[in-house]
Amino acid sequence: GQNIDQPTEMTATEGAIVQINCTYQTSGFNGLFWYQQHAGEAPTFLSYNVLDGLEEKGRFSSFLSRSKGYSYLLLKELQMKDSASYLCAVRDSNYQLIWGAGTKLIIKP
Amino acid sequence: NAGVTQTPKFRILKIGQSMTLQCTQDMNHNYMYWYRQDPGMGLKLIYYSVGAGITDKGEVPNGYNVSRSTTEDFPLRLELAAPSQTSVYFCASSYREHTEAFFGQGTRLTVV
Repeated sequence: GQNIDQPTEMTATEGAIVQINCTYQTSGFNGLFWYQQHAGEAPTFLSYNVLDGLEEKGRFSSFLSRSKGYSYLLLKELQMKDSASYLCAVRDSNYQLIWGAGTKLIIKP
Repeated sequence: NAGVTQTPKFRILKIGQSMTLQCTQDMNHNYMYWYRQDPGMGLKLIYYSVGAGITDKGEVPNGYNVSRSTTEDFPLRLELAAPSQTSVYFCASSYREHTEAFFGQGTRLTVV
């Protein structure tokens, strides 16, 4: 079967750095997405990786290793507004999206 | 620029009732999707459409129907509501298939 694993919840301190991991087992691979979802709101797109390596976008970076079936989202200089759930999704060989359950990130002052 | 607009935001249905969740987008996207999101679970694809007049089943289509008469609109129909359909429903659209998607604000549906 197809599976995406993410930690259920993480806690970090304002101003610090946090890494949210995502491991996947899917039927083929055609890209990995990260979305941010604040409580009670819609998911919003953060990043897309299809090749191995690090993609940096401001305070957020996303890393991919296809051979390990692994990605992480790195958030720097954490702000209170970063408190949200972070969703990992993988596009499989049929171009279908498989979604993880999300990681709830709690930022403490 | 409205993006993706869903209505209603909240709804309570009784078992056996029917309703339509409305979704419209103004970005001229060909691809549109309906997802449901349950606590502790990843988003599940209900139906999707690759253009006006074309729809296809996703992972969990049972109990739902869709239509796509225009590029802008993609309503989701629930027939004979059941408690298992209690969920948050999201409509989304994208320029290409399963690429960066833009989501509506969601509909929180409770079936009692």
